[in-house]
Amino acid sequence: AQSVSQHNHHVILSEAASLELGCNYSYGGTVNLFWYVQYPGQHLQLLLKYFSGDPLVKGIKGFEAEFIKSKFSFNLRKPSVQWSDTAEYFCAVNAPPLVFGKGTRLSVIA
Amino acid sequence: NAGVTQTPKFQVLKTGQSMTLQCAQDMNHEYMSWYRQDPGMGLRLIHYSVGAGITDQGEVPNGYNVSRSTTEDFPLRLLSAAPSQTSVYFCASSYSRVINTEAFFGQGTRLTVV
Repeated sequence: AQSVSQHNHHVILSEAASLELGCNYSYGGTVNLFWYVQYPGQHLQLLLKYFSGDPLVKGIKGFEAEFIKSKFSFNLRKPSVQWSDTAEYFCAVNAPPLVFGKGTRLSVIA
Repeated sequence: NAGVTQTPKFQVLKTGQSMTLQCAQDMNHEYMSWYRQDPGMGLRLIHYSVGAGITDQGEVPNGYNVSRSTTEDFPLRLLSAAPSQTSVYFCASSYSRVINTEAFFGQGTRLTVV
C-alpha cells in the first residue's frame, strides 16, 4: 500500500519568509498528488493538485508545488508567507485510494 | 448545490452508546469515503464505497459499519462507542475512485466519547 511522508511536523516562520514543505510518497505507478490546507477549526480545502503535464503546479493563495517523479516528491512552496497562512498542511496521494500524510503545522509569526 | 453535507457537527457520546454520522452529497459522485483525523496522525481511511451497494474497509475499520443504499448517502455507524473513537470525522466524495478525480470534503463531525 502506498504511504505519504511529510518531513516536518511543525514549522515556525516569520512573515515574508519563504516556505518549503516536503512530501514524499511510496508508489511506483501513476498517481495524483494533492496538497490540502486546514485552517484552525475548519475543514480541508484543496490548495493544488497534480494529475499530469507540467510538473510545476500553481495553486491558490500563491502556493505552488513541484512534482519530481524520480524522487517521488511533491514539495509545497510559497515565496513569502503571511500570518494568515498559519494552518495545517496535508500532502495526499491518490493511487487510489486517497492516502494522507500526517500533516505539517505551520505557524507564521509577525 | 451543497456539495458534501455532514451531520451533526458536534456530538458527545457515552462509552457503549451507538450513533450514526450522516453524510450526503448532491454531485452524483460514485465514490464516497470516511476518514478520521487525529492529532499527529493525519487523516486515516475508515471505509469507502465505489457505488450504491458496494462498500469496503480502509486502514482503520474496526468499530465502524457503513452501508450505501443510495448514491447520495453514506452513513457511518458506531455500534458501541469507545473513548478511542474520539476524533474528527470527515466524509469525502469524488466522481470515481480512479485517478484524475478530485475529492470534496464535508465540514467534519467532532465526536467526543466519554
